[in-house]
Amino acid sequence: RKEVEQDPGPFNVPEGATVAFNCTYSNSASQSFFWYRQDCRKEPKLLMSVYSSGNEDGRFTAQLNRASQYISLLIRDSKLSDSATYLCVVIEKADSWGKLQFGAGTQVVVTP
Amino acid sequence: DADVTQTPRNRITKTGKRIMLECSQTKGHDRMYWYRQDPGLGLRLIYYSFDVKDINKGEISDGYSVSRQAQAKFSLSLESAIPNQTALYFCATSVPSGSNEQFFGPGTRLTVL
Repeated sequence: RKEVEQDPGPFNVPEGATVAFNCTYSNSASQSFFWYRQDCRKEPKLLMSVYSSGNEDGRFTAQLNRASQYISLLIRDSKLSDSATYLCVVIEKADSWGKLQFGAGTQVVVTP
Repeated sequence: DADVTQTPRNRITKTGKRIMLECSQTKGHDRMYWYRQDPGLGLRLIYYSFDVKDINKGEISDGYSVSRQAQAKFSLSLESAIPNQTALYFCATSVPSGSNEQFFGPGTRLTVL
C-alpha cells in the first residue's frame, strides 16, 4: 500500500468553476503536510503548507482531517493557469529533517 | 539564473553504460537530495546529504551512488545503467528549518535503451 495516495484524475474543470480533491495518508503519526504544484515536465514547487486548522491562500484552500487521515485542496474561480498536477506531500516527523513522502499527483485541467 | 541547476537536461544512453548526473545550487543550502519520478509512482528518494561529509541512502538507492564534492554540488551516478532506470531525475535542496520546503532543479530526463 502506498503511504500517500491521490486520485490521478484528470479533473476537467471549466474556467471559473471550483474543484476539490483529496489525498490520503497511511501513517497516523504523520505531522506535516503540503501541496506542491508541478507543471508538465517541470519541477515541483511548493504551493502551500496545510495546517491543522486549515488555511487559505487566495483562491486555494487546504484542509487537514486527522481522524480520517486525509488532506484536501480546493481551488475556487479556476484559471487556465491552474492547469497542473498537484502533489500531496507528507512528512512523518515534525522535526527539521525534510524527508518528504510524495503522492503520485492529481492532474487538473482547466478548460475555457 | 536558476538557483538549482542540473546537467544534462536530457540523456539517452545504452544498457551497461556509466552515467553521471550533476546538480549545482547557489542557494547556500546544506541539504541536497536526489529523487526519481516515474509515471503513477510519484517522486522517490534515492540519496540525500546534509553536508559535504554526509551521505545517506533513500528508499531506492540500489544501482545508484552519489558524491557531495562541495556544499553546492551533489552528483548522482549510475554505474551500469539498466532500462528500468529510465525516469525523470530531480535534484533538490532545503534548509534545516521548520518550513521543510524543498527547492527542485529543472530535472534530467534519462532514457536507458
